[in-house]
Amino acid sequence: SAVISQKPSRDICQRGTSLTIQCQVDSQVTMMFWYRQQPGQSLTLIATANQGSEATYESGFVIDKFPISRPNLTFSTLTVSNLSPEDSSIYLCSGGGPYNEQFFGPGTRLTVL
Amino acid sequence: DAKTTQPNSMESNEEEPVHLPCNHSTISGTDYIHWYRQLPSQGPEYVIHGLTSNVNNRMASLAIAEDRKSSTLILHRATLRDAAVYYCILSPLSAGSNYKLTFGKGTLLTVNP
Repeated sequence: SAVISQKPSRDICQRGTSLTIQCQVDSQVTMMFWYRQQPGQSLTLIATANQGSEATYESGFVIDKFPISRPNLTFSTLTVSNLSPEDSSIYLCSGGGPYNEQFFGPGTRLTVL
Repeated sequence: DAKTTQPNSMESNEEEPVHLPCNHSTISGTDYIHWYRQLPSQGPEYVIHGLTSNVNNRMASLAIAEDRKSSTLILHRATLRDAAVYYCILSPLSAGSNYKLTFGKGTLLTVNP
């Protein structure tokens, strides 16, 4: 199984600023994904991070608000831009395994004041 | 995406077996059945997945109905560490699929000592 790490583990940010979250996988994976988990809720897929091309966003999520980079097969970043209190959530990345399973990072807890 | 239906919550006693049900009456022929769990304050953890046949691994067993419209995740001897939200998810595997996972509300499993 792949081991996923995320940085930072948590952050408190001011309204109007941005936060960039890093996701590192300990082995090469074809697929990487970014999810959001709002307080008390289930996970919602934000986008699929594609290596060497633009990310594929789910309905309700746009590149201007959630720009994603994927420079290689082991690393991706998610930026949450122009922060508002409604962006306070846990953000998780995952990597796809060889048998169609996904391995998740521990998440980044974002609080926006 | 095909939907799944799970009970909101279940209780079990430590060292007893737990059977977590999932209904997926609109499953298509190419949908895999995935189970993940999320322990408190952690990212989701892959448990098991299957297509048609029953599956076993070190964590659990997956029993799939013959018509594939329901499945059951079996924890053979529950421990306190198994207390988590369990998610049953259908994921299509076809040409061009990106293994996308759509999380529902899941079943909150409480394990009593």
